[in-house]
Amino acid sequence: GAGVSQTPSNKVTEKGKYVELRCDPISGHTALYWYRQSLGQGPEFLIYFQGTGAADDSGLPNDRFFAVRPEGSVSTLKIQRTERGDSAVYLCASSRDENMAAEAFFGQGTRLTVV
Amino acid sequence: EDQVTQSPEALRLQEGESSSLNCSYTVSGLRGLFWYRQDPGKGPEFLFTLYSAGEEKEKERLKATLTKKESFLHITAPKPEDSATYLCAVQTSGGSYIPTFGRGTSLIVHP
Repeated sequence: GAGVSQTPSNKVTEKGKYVELRCDPISGHTALYWYRQSLGQGPEFLIYFQGTGAADDSGLPNDRFFAVRPEGSVSTLKIQRTERGDSAVYLCASSRDENMAAEAFFGQGTRLTVV
Repeated sequence: EDQVTQSPEALRLQEGESSSLNCSYTVSGLRGLFWYRQDPGKGPEFLFTLYSAGEEKEKERLKATLTKKESFLHITAPKPEDSATYLCAVQTSGGSYIPTFGRGTSLIVHP
């Protein structure tokens, strides 16, 4: 596709439920990034992939969060046992390679609301 | 710990009223400083990269400058379509390529 696509755009879930957020990066981009953005804050790094492997997952807040990119293209961010504090916009970005992380192209985000 | 502080948090301008946004940073060594524009409901859109003190970049009504401690985003004769949140981010030398973002400045330009 022409840009980074994230689905769903909005997700409302109940506390304790499991959610999956999907990111479809720009074709040919080997690096993919997940960020979380709360209201009034800048994006906060979660994890990034170079190809299929997670190159840096130091931003994941705890073991309820997990992400995969099995074929080096589409990625899924998975959150178990959701909590109200997980409510935020989850942004995905991609770039040709990790050296271009700061110039990555962002998707429109998935707004997650945990009630 | 790397820190990026943006000011003001919010700025309201009249169309044509020039102003500047500030981004001050504290890092062990700067590899690059970046500016982005973010519209409501969208992800950030990359604008500029600055690498060294004294460097300047321009795009339409925007000009970004860099010193050893801060960066400014100057907006000349803004238009309502310049209304957005402007984010600043830094990369540190010797560290990860992942940028550290500030909280942004929300700019509203009134017609």
